[in-house]
Parts: sequence; C-alpha cells; structure tokens
Amino acid sequence: LAKTTQPISMDSYEGQEVNITCSHNNIATNDYITWYQQFPSQGPRFIIQGYKTKVTNEVASLFIPADRKSSTLSLPRVSLSDTAVYYCLVATGGGFKTIFGAGTRLFVKA
Amino acid sequence: KAGVTQTPRYLIKTRGQQVTLSCSPISGHRSVSWYQQTPGQGLQFLFEYFSETQRNKGNFPGRFSGRQFSNSRSEMNVSTLELGDSALYLCASSIGQQNEKLFFGSGTQLSVL
Repeated sequence: LAKTTQPISMDSYEGQEVNITCSHNNIATNDYITWYQQFPSQGPRFIIQGYKTKVTNEVASLFIPADRKSSTLSLPRVSLSDTAVYYCLVATGGGFKTIFGAGTRLFVKA
Repeated sequence: KAGVTQTPRYLIKTRGQQVTLSCSPISGHRSVSWYQQTPGQGLQFLFEYFSETQRNKGNFPGRFSGRQFSNSRSEMNVSTLELGDSALYLCASSIGQQNEKLFFGSGTQLSVL
C-alpha cells in the first residue's frame, strides 16, 4: 500500500483558500486518491476522490499532477467550521484495507 | 437513508473484562471495517468484513476479533481488556468494491480503568 506524507498542521484565516499537499511516491496504477475530514469525537467524512488531473465538488477541489506522486486538496474560502483533521489516503479496494496516515490538522482563525 | 450506527456511544470497563461493540452499516452496504483511534497512534485499521467473511486484517493481537452477520451488521469483541485499549473505535461501511468511499459512524468511546 502506498504511504502518504502530509504536513502535520496548518493555520489559516477565515476567507482564505487553503491548499494541503500530500505526497504518495509509491502510488500504484490502480490506486485512487481520497481525502477525508474529521472533527473531534466523530468519524472521518469523505470529501473528495480522484485518479488524475482535477476533480471539483461542492466543498473542495483535488489537483493531481500527471505523475500522480502527489496531490493537493484545495479548500476555497475556509471558515471556522473547517477546523479539522484532513487525511489523504491512497488505497486500492475501498474498505479492503484502507490505511490512514497521521493527517493534517487545519486550524482556521477568525 | 440512515447512516452508520454504532452502539454504545460510550463504555467504561475495567482491566481484564471483555467488551462487544456493535455496528449497523448503511442499508445495502456489505463491507464493514473497524478502526481504533488514539491520540498517540491515530487511526489504525483493525479488520474488514465482507459478506460475513473477514477479508483483511490489521496488526492487532488476537484479543481483538470481529464478526459479521447475514444482514451485514458487525460486532467487534475485545477480550482481556488492557489500559491501552482505551480509544475511540470507529466502524465504516461501504459497498465493498474497489475504491469505494467509506461512511463512518460516530464511534464508541471505550475507557478502560
């Protein structure tokens, strides 16, 4: 399974765009890149998933370069409620053996 | 559509006891995964069940076991509890095919005294 590396923590201010980059040098051909968000005492929540290029949904964008060795989660105009831990995952097989890394703790300040 | 339901929400046990946690997946989901989350170790994969069969297992001792029933509901059992087993136990359900996203419950907070 590909190992992921992402910053331990990031600070931002309300209204700013936040970009969290994840490194996954050993990503396999069949692997998708998935991001989850977790608030304290809750289970992680799916944000976005992609295979290559760019994916956008109502809450975030995911940028994946051609070599797929990294990916960037972009959160537009963050608010205080976006303060959470963000996990980047690279896994084949969904729940087969999805491995979570340490995550990035995002703190949004007023 | 109801989400993933975990019971109980909180549990206090003493060392040496055993505990059973329950997880009801989203209707139609056949895969249930279990995770242990602690401040020091983060989210660690325990095991995954699909159609009543354990399909994958993490690196936990045999004291941690699980099962899945024909209705996809799953239980996790921890025997001979240790202080270090205090954690938030999360289950997640999915359809069970490749690259499917996981839907997590709110977890069971287990405290071992």
